[in-house]
Amino acid sequence: DTGVSQDPRHKITKRGQNVTFRCDPISEHNRLYWYRQTLGQGPEFLTYFQNEAQLEKSRLLSDRFSAERPKGSFSTLEIQRTEQGDSAMYLCASSLGNFAEAFFGQGTRLTVV
Amino acid sequence: RKEVEQDPGPFNVPEGATVAFNCTYSNSASQSFFWYRQDCRKEPKLLMSVYSSGNEDGRFTAQLNRASQYISLLIRDSKLSDSATYLCVAYSGGGADGLTFGKGTHLIIQP
Repeated sequence: DTGVSQDPRHKITKRGQNVTFRCDPISEHNRLYWYRQTLGQGPEFLTYFQNEAQLEKSRLLSDRFSAERPKGSFSTLEIQRTEQGDSAMYLCASSLGNFAEAFFGQGTRLTVV
Repeated sequence: RKEVEQDPGPFNVPEGATVAFNCTYSNSASQSFFWYRQDCRKEPKLLMSVYSSGNEDGRFTAQLNRASQYISLLIRDSKLSDSATYLCVAYSGGGADGLTFGKGTHLIIQP
C-alpha cells in the first residue's frame, strides 16, 4: 500500500493519559499535515511540516499537543494530559506541492473516557 | 461566522437524478476552491478542483461564482456509489492554515 498510513486506527484512553499517534506519508511527499475532525464537522488544521521543519501550527492548538517529523519522513502527534474534548478523528495528510491536493490517511479515532 | 458554509443535508435523491449543492465562502481573499468526498468513517479524498471557468469531470461539474462568493457542485445521472459527504474547501493563501473545510453536505442516493 503506497498511501498515507496511520497507526493506531483506534485509541481509547483515560482522561489525563498521554497518547501518541504515528503517520507515514506517501514516500515522495515533502509536506505533511495533521488535522482533527469531529462528528458533523470538516477537518480542522492543526499543524504542517515541510520535510522535517514544522512551519505552521494552528492558533487553536493547545500546548498539550506536540508534533514531530524528525527525519522528514514519518510524523508523530502527541497529546499530553488528554481531556474528553480531545475525542476526535485525527487525520494525517501529505502532498508534494499544493496544500489542497493532499492525500489523507484513514485517521486515528481517539476516544477519551 | 464560519468561513465556508454548506447545507448539511441530507439530500435524498433517486438514482439517476441530477443533484446540485452550493457552498458559500465569506473570505473574499479566497484564491482557490476544491471539492472533497468523504465516505462514512473514511478519509476525505479530493474530488475536483474548481477553476474560475468551471470544471467538468465526467458526471461532475463544479463552478465558481466570485461575485456571489459561492461554489457549486452538480452531479448528473447519480449512482448509488455517489452517496457520501461532500466537503467544500476554500484556500485563502498564507500557507497550510489558509485551507478551510466546510462541514460537508450529506448526499444519499436512493435506489
